Amino acid sequence: AQSVTQLDSQVPVFEEAPVELRCNYSSSVSVYLFWYVQYPNQGLQLLLKYLSGSTLVKGINGFEAEFNKSQTSFHLRKPSVHISDTAEYFCAVSDPRKTSYDKVIFGPGTSLSVIP
Amino acid sequence: EAQVTQNPRYLITVTGKKLTVTCSQNMNHEYMSWYRQDPGLGLRQIYYSMNVEVTDKGDVPEGYKVSRKEKRNFPLILESPSPNQTSLYFCASRPRAAGGNNEQFFGPGTRLTVL
Repeated sequence: AQSVTQLDSQVPVFEEAPVELRCNYSSSVSVYLFWYVQYPNQGLQLLLKYLSGSTLVKGINGFEAEFNKSQTSFHLRKPSVHISDTAEYFCAVSDPRKTSYDKVIFGPGTSLSVIP
Repeated sequence: EAQVTQNPRYLITVTGKKLTVTCSQNMNHEYMSWYRQDPGLGLRQIYYSMNVEVTDKGDVPEGYKVSRKEKRNFPLILESPSPNQTSLYFCASRPRAAGGNNEQFFGPGTRLTVL
């Protein structure tokens, strides 16, 4: 069965500093990987996704993530954060082999707090 | 505007009083899901639907019911709510895409408190 681990439940970082949010998954097969962001009092929205091809994926708002198959990781990075990046971030995985309903498994989330 | 709507956004109720949370999407998506979000647990899937009249259990279906009579609507029903169902609930939809491109579109959430 697939699972997703987000090693840091809370990450405080100063404004304009770089940040990395870690995500590891367990799966014996190839997977699709996603990062979603949840701003305060809002639903989740997609930041970026990895389906295949280049292992470096660029998303919205200056975020990027790198897929590392050997380490089963999909860490999210941003070189310089802004106050507006304060939010909850969720890593998610799904199995592309499924031809019927392909379930998405979410990690527990990482709360990013940007300090002025 | 393409969107998923949920109502109500906030609800306080008492144990045992039946309630329904509505969900509607205007994107003609086949797939719809209900999740609950609890601190430290992330999102857990309650029920999902692949199309009209096709629903199935997710990871935490106990105490919940759903129906899919129309493609756009996917209500969540709590027949006899209990305090352990106090949570933040999200409805989500996505198209059925060849190859399993699974980007989901989420509603704004419903915060439910059961006293």
